[in-house]
Amino acid sequence: DAGITQSPRHKVTETGTPVTLRCHQTENHRYMYWYRQDPGHGLRLIHYSYGVKDTDKGEVSDGYSVSRSKTEDFLLTLESATSSQTSVYFCAISSTGVQPQHFGDGTRLSIL
Amino acid sequence: GIQVEQSPPDLILQEGANSTLRCNFSDSVNNLQWFHQNPWGQLINLFYIPSGTKQNGRLSATTVATERYSLLYISSSQTTDSGVYFCAVDNGGANSKLTFGKGITLSVRP
Repeated sequence: DAGITQSPRHKVTETGTPVTLRCHQTENHRYMYWYRQDPGHGLRLIHYSYGVKDTDKGEVSDGYSVSRSKTEDFLLTLESATSSQTSVYFCAISSTGVQPQHFGDGTRLSIL
Repeated sequence: GIQVEQSPPDLILQEGANSTLRCNFSDSVNNLQWFHQNPWGQLINLFYIPSGTKQNGRLSATTVATERYSLLYISSSQTTDSGVYFCAVDNGGANSKLTFGKGITLSVRP
């Protein structure tokens, strides 16, 4: 199994609070991705990184920011959480971008 | 952007039956992957198959890139095959970004 750890695995917080999700990999892969999964929508890309300090937006990036200061860590931040950001968040990694993506176990985030 | 449609949306099988899951996409692709999400929510990469045919045990996949579709075959289905199957594609660019279909929910009954 690919060495991908997401933390926390579950979080409940209130509207307006900042939230940071962490993805940690031990595979030394260049590409890292953040997705959200909602009923009826499948998985949608939020942001991705193609190297240290190199990031770009995905399909649903509004309200989210990311940072990657080390190869192994990719952080997703909700600066001021809203109820519409209640979702399951998945991190994925890939060695070259066009190679298979491997996913972490997800973070279930509830914003009340 | 590229559109991905999967069919059928839901499928119920008796254990031991075979099935075919379909993924249609709206543009040429250089990256196509099939994933299985098990009932516990874990996403497992089944195949990386932008073209051609691959097999892994009871599962096989075929992508006909020129006709813009891919098929996932499950033979002798087992209850552990239950879950949601996603097709995801990318049609190129500087950095590959997958677009996912909405998934096919498979239930295998004992």
